[in-house]
Order: sequence, then structure tokens, then C-alpha cells
Amino acid sequence: DQQVKQNSPSLSVQEGRISILNCDYTNSMFDYFLWYKKYPAEGPTFLISISSIKDKNEDGRFTVFLNKSAKHLSLHIVPSQPGDSAVYFCAASAGGYQKVTFGTGTKLQVIP
Amino acid sequence: EAQVTQNPRYLITVTGKKLTVTCSQNMNHEYMSWYRQDPGLGLRQIYYSMNVEVTDKGDVPEGYKVSRKEKRNFPLILESPSPNQTSLYFCASSFSSFSSYNEQFFGPGTRLTVL
Repeated sequence: DQQVKQNSPSLSVQEGRISILNCDYTNSMFDYFLWYKKYPAEGPTFLISISSIKDKNEDGRFTVFLNKSAKHLSLHIVPSQPGDSAVYFCAASAGGYQKVTFGTGTKLQVIP
Repeated sequence: EAQVTQNPRYLITVTGKKLTVTCSQNMNHEYMSWYRQDPGLGLRQIYYSMNVEVTDKGDVPEGYKVSRKEKRNFPLILESPSPNQTSLYFCASSFSSFSSYNEQFFGPGTRLTVL
């Protein structure tokens, strides 16, 4: 049972345009969400997070939106840069426990 | 430099030959965890540890063991590896064990092949 889903395995975007990566979840107990970025041959690195008490969190070019009623979150990257090309994982956790559930990942390619 | 280290980075072994993948962090983190990454399945949590001598199962613990005798180390043990454990393994750590509201720091990964 995949509780966190990223339905787009890949996404291609032109440099300078907006990249939108989507993530859906099924467990209504999830109350904290994170995005990680992963380059080949490296471990994932933390990008941005959002608590369920918010619907938006912004950090520079990266913004995460949370729609609790739809159990959906998205990551917006504006403007997209070639260095953003990586696999992006969304992750979720519930109630302060350290059991974290990751999605399957979306591979983003930013074309110069 | 703050980091999570894993050894070995690459390992090819045969079915049934016990192996250990080591993980160490130098950030004094309480929480540590092991994940495996497989195509189409993303990252799946194997085991995690809230502190020394405190461990718990993640989503895919079968065939794995862990121990947390020291705060900095969290080895992953495969007592009798099988080909379905061929995967890319990541160790991770984070600061607080009482809140999930902390990002995890990941090691560089261990590519394991079981023949």
C-alpha cells in the first residue's frame, strides 16, 4: 500500500520556466511533509518542508503548497535552473514519530 | 565536516554469506535510520533507532537486523542475504528523536548486489 505517491516518474522543463512536482498521500494522520533532492551517486538532501498547520512554505526559488482536503502537495521551482536536474522525493510523517514514508520520486530534467 | 558515512560503498556477495554495512554520523544525532531504494518503489524504511539501544521496524524489515550500541553507529546486518536484497541502501540521521519535524541527513549510499 503506497501511502505517498508521486504519479509522474519524470518531468522536463525549459530553463527559466516553472517546475511543478506533485505528491499525493492517503494517510490522513500525516502532519509533516518534506521534499528531498537526490543527485546520481549521492544521498538525498533536504530541500524544504511544511507542517499541516500551514498551506504554503517558501524558501528562495522553492515553494511547497499543501492542500489537506485533497491530500495533495506540490513543489514549485521558479525559475528552474539546469542544476535543479535531479530526482525529487516527497516524504511524510505522522504525529511526531520518526517513521517516515517516502514517495517513489520524480526525475526532473531542466533543459538549458 | 558534518556527515553520515557508510561502508562499503559497493559490495558484491553471494547468497547466504553474512554481511554488515556500517553507518556512522558525527553530528551527535539521536535518530538514525536505514532505507533501501529500488526502481519504481522509491525509498523504503527498513529500521530506525530513536536512541542507543532503541530500535524499531520500518516498512520492510524482513531479512535485516540492526543494533545501536553507540550513538554514532548504526550497522545494518544481513544474516543470510538473498538476491531480492540487491538494492541501493542509505543510512540517515537527524537531530531529535522526539519529533519528526527535523530533516534527515543521508549517507552516500551502499550499492549491494547479491548473486
